Amino acid sequence: GAVVSQHPSRVICKSGTSVKIECRSLDFQATTMFWYRQFPKKSLMLMATSNEGSKATYEQGVEKDKFLINHASLTLSTLTVTSAHPEDSSFYICSASRLREGRADTQYFGPGTRLTVL
Amino acid sequence: QKEVEQNSGPLSVPEGAIASLNCTYSDRVSQSFFWYRQYSGKSPELIMSIYSNGDKEDGRFTAQLNKASQYVSLLIRDSQPSDSATYLCAVGSGGNMLTFGGGTRLMVKP
Repeated sequence: GAVVSQHPSRVICKSGTSVKIECRSLDFQATTMFWYRQFPKKSLMLMATSNEGSKATYEQGVEKDKFLINHASLTLSTLTVTSAHPEDSSFYICSASRLREGRADTQYFGPGTRLTVL
Repeated sequence: QKEVEQNSGPLSVPEGAIASLNCTYSDRVSQSFFWYRQYSGKSPELIMSIYSNGDKEDGRFTAQLNKASQYVSLLIRDSQPSDSATYLCAVGSGGNMLTFGGGTRLMVKP
């Protein structure tokens, strides 16, 4: 159990275009979904936290108008990178959290999306 | 500011040995502790969770928690080359947020 999928796994786009990444919890209802980015050989960096039906909470320094997050249901969250630039090239990873034994903080990660902006 | 500290490594152990990975955290009210494994170019995968002081064993993995010392560790017995990865320690203080350490890179040499 606790499977999280992400689509696409890899995307190459031109500078100035927008890219949408989907994150789905396949076998459980996620209380909360998280979006991270990771540069090569660097730590995970939390970008934002989203709860179903409410606005995402962005970490300091993350532009909410550039990284649009929609959490339409308990099993789906999307991240749209708007007007992408080469510096947005990174590995984007989502995770989903579910209630278990009264604790809501176990996070299960999707396989990640590697974005390359030319 | 909640902090989770890990030695970045690399930690090198011979095949068959015990690998010991350590993590310290700053928030005394932390309640939940997790170890994730991340292979190069892949996303993290959950190995173990631990919530109470003491040891928790799952196959070749043992998580150890000492809340008084604010210390959590992961032991990997009979290390295999396939265990070579970066191991992330994550700490939760209630709610949905986790604070991740920077990870320890483990290398198991045949």
